Amino acid sequence: ETGVTQTPRHLVMGMTNKKSLKCEQHLGHNAMYWYKQSAKKPLELMFVYNFKEQTENNSVPSRFSPECPNSSHLFLHLHTLQPEDSALYLCASSQGGGGVNNSPLHFGNGTRLTVT
Amino acid sequence: QKEVEQNSGPLSVPEGAIASLNCTYSDRGSQSFFWYRQYSGKSPELIMFIYSNGDKEDGRFTAQLNKASQYVSLLIRDSQPSDSATYLCAVTGSGGSNYKLTFGKGTLLTVNP
Repeated sequence: ETGVTQTPRHLVMGMTNKKSLKCEQHLGHNAMYWYKQSAKKPLELMFVYNFKEQTENNSVPSRFSPECPNSSHLFLHLHTLQPEDSALYLCASSQGGGGVNNSPLHFGNGTRLTVT
Repeated sequence: QKEVEQNSGPLSVPEGAIASLNCTYSDRGSQSFFWYRQYSGKSPELIMFIYSNGDKEDGRFTAQLNKASQYVSLLIRDSQPSDSATYLCAVTGSGGSNYKLTFGKGTLLTVNP
């Protein structure tokens, strides 16, 4: 059983819709991440929150808007998406804080997003 | 642009053989190295991590790191059909980016019964 829970597992939305992805971690970690995984491409880091502060916005279009109300919860708000945004969106957490021996990422099961 | 390169495969090995997965990285300052396994339709799961040069063994898995050559590998001994998956190599950034993981595209491994 994963310590990182994502909902929904699958989402189909039109280009004019607004939806949100939710992530919750039960591991006591301090850092949370959104990754995008498209076919034939490496995992792409989108956003990082370290101790609830956003420390990374990896040139992500503004139609993706993250929110981290506390160290256990992370949201990704979606609006006016494009078909090329269809992908698997993965949430992850780690102990955070950086350091030489960085804590590994623990992934949720992902949300399979299809934009029509 | 920091890069992590993996042979995309597919790598096909018979059951019981040793599977060897390779990864090179461009950031000489990287300190932490991870191998994740991803089954089709599932999320990545951590199977090994290594921080120091040399070998690290965990059951049937051995991770090898050579920082001078910027090379990290994963050996799977006595490969089983259940090992069939995509294996992702991930590397941390250097300096202030050491919390960020850069992933390779992954190597698809198929273990044939």
